[in-house]
Amino acid sequence: EVQLVESGGGLVQPGGSLRLSCAASEFTFSGYWMHWVRQAPGKGLECVSRINPDGSSATYADSVQGRFTISRDNAKNTLFLQMNSLRADDTAVYYCARESRGPSAVDYWGQGALVTVSS
Amino acid sequence: DIQMTQSPSSLSASVGDRVTITCRASQGIAYHLAWYQKKPGKAPKSLIYAASSLRSGVPSRFSGSGSGTDFTLTISSLQPEDFATYYCQHYSVLPFTFGPGTKVDIK
Repeated sequence: EVQLVESGGGLVQPGGSLRLSCAASEFTFSGYWMHWVRQAPGKGLECVSRINPDGSSATYADSVQGRFTISRDNAKNTLFLQMNSLRADDTAVYYCARESRGPSAVDYWGQGALVTVSS
Repeated sequence: DIQMTQSPSSLSASVGDRVTITCRASQGIAYHLAWYQKKPGKAPKSLIYAASSLRSGVPSRFSGSGSGTDFTLTISSLQPEDFATYYCQHYSVLPFTFGPGTKVDIK
């Protein structure tokens, strides 16, 4: 069964940085587009970023463009999200997700990592 | 960007009811639409892709239909475990945007 396990969440002050990781297993990680999706408290789902299988191309939501960087290490089956200049409105649960072969929709999700930005 | 809307924003229903949720795209997206179920404190669950294809393991009481701009998610007989918020998402062109969600709660 596909597994995606996020780590690295926590409490950070406004303006600070945090790096999320997502360990993938039970599938050929290097063959899939991957996503970060977040849900702020009481809000809906928001696509944050998407990266292609070899890591050479990425897209970002306007709300995080220039502050967040998605990357991957295919040798270690791990997806990352480097988050800089964090703001209170970045507070959310961040989900790592796999995009089904396509381009297509997400088929598997991680359990999520909570990021809280507060002084 | 393509905007997604959903109606209703919330609904109350009883176990055994037939429930229909509508999703509309601001421009045509062919069949590039997915549905997800989200429960508090849990990861989203993928239900349907390509507008009407059921993900493996998803009960057959869930079904999807539509193409172009108008789509529906139907639960034929609501079960206790189906009380949740449902989101549609298009994946036609970047950015892939979600609808605002429809919360299904117990009447």
